Amino acid sequence: TQLLEQSPQFLSIQEGENLTVYCNSSSVFSSLQWYRQEPGEGPVLLVTVVTGGEVKKLKRLTFQFGDARKDSSLHITAAQPGDTGLYLCAALETGSARQLTFGSGTQLTVLP
Amino acid sequence: DTEVTQTPKHLVMGMTNKKSLKCEQHMGHRAMYWYKQKAKKPPELMFVYSYEKLSINESVPSRFSPECPNSSLLNLHLHALQPEDSALYLCASSQHGRASNQPQHFGDGTRLSIL
Repeated sequence: TQLLEQSPQFLSIQEGENLTVYCNSSSVFSSLQWYRQEPGEGPVLLVTVVTGGEVKKLKRLTFQFGDARKDSSLHITAAQPGDTGLYLCAALETGSARQLTFGSGTQLTVLP
Repeated sequence: DTEVTQTPKHLVMGMTNKKSLKCEQHMGHRAMYWYKQKAKKPPELMFVYSYEKLSINESVPSRFSPECPNSSLLNLHLHALQPEDSALYLCASSQHGRASNQPQHFGDGTRLSIL
C-alpha cells in the first residue's frame, strides 16, 4: 500500500498570511490529486498533477509535483476565510481497480 | 452543486434498525465507491464497484451490504450497526479506463448517527 503523509495536520492562520501544505511518499506516482472538503460537503477536486516538476496555478493556489513524482505541495497566497477546509492529497494505486489513496489531511482554518 | 447525489443527507437510527443509503450519478461513470469518513480525517475506502460488479471490499463488516442495481445507482444497506459506525458516508464515481489521472467525483455524503 502506498502511504501519503501530509503536513501539517492542523494549521490556523490569520487572513492575508501565506501557507504551504506538503504531501510526501516514498512511492512514485503517475499522478496526484488535491481535494478540498468544506464542512457538510464531499471532497471537491482542485487539481491533478501528472508531470514531474509540474506547477499549476488556481487563482491564489499554487500546486507543485516533485521532480521525482514522490511528493507535492500546495501553496496558498494571502489566505482568506473562504479557504478554510480539509485539504487532501490523493493518488491512485497501481492495478486494475481505480482505488484512491488519500493523505492524512490538513485541516486549515483562516481567521478573519 | 455536486453531480453525485446522495440521500438522505442525515440519518439517525437505532442499533436494531434496517436502513439504506442511496447514491446516484448520471455522468456515465462505470466505477462507483463507498467511503466512510470520521471528523477531520481522510475518507476510508469501503467498497468499489466496477461495471456494476463488486471489485473491492476492504474487509468491511457484514452489517454493511452494498448493492449496485445499475450503472447509475449505488446503495448501501445497513443493519444492526454499532455506535462506532456513526460517520459521514461518501459516495463517489469515476470513469473506468486505463488512465490513472481520472478524478473521483464525490457526493456530499450522508451523516449517519447510531443511537
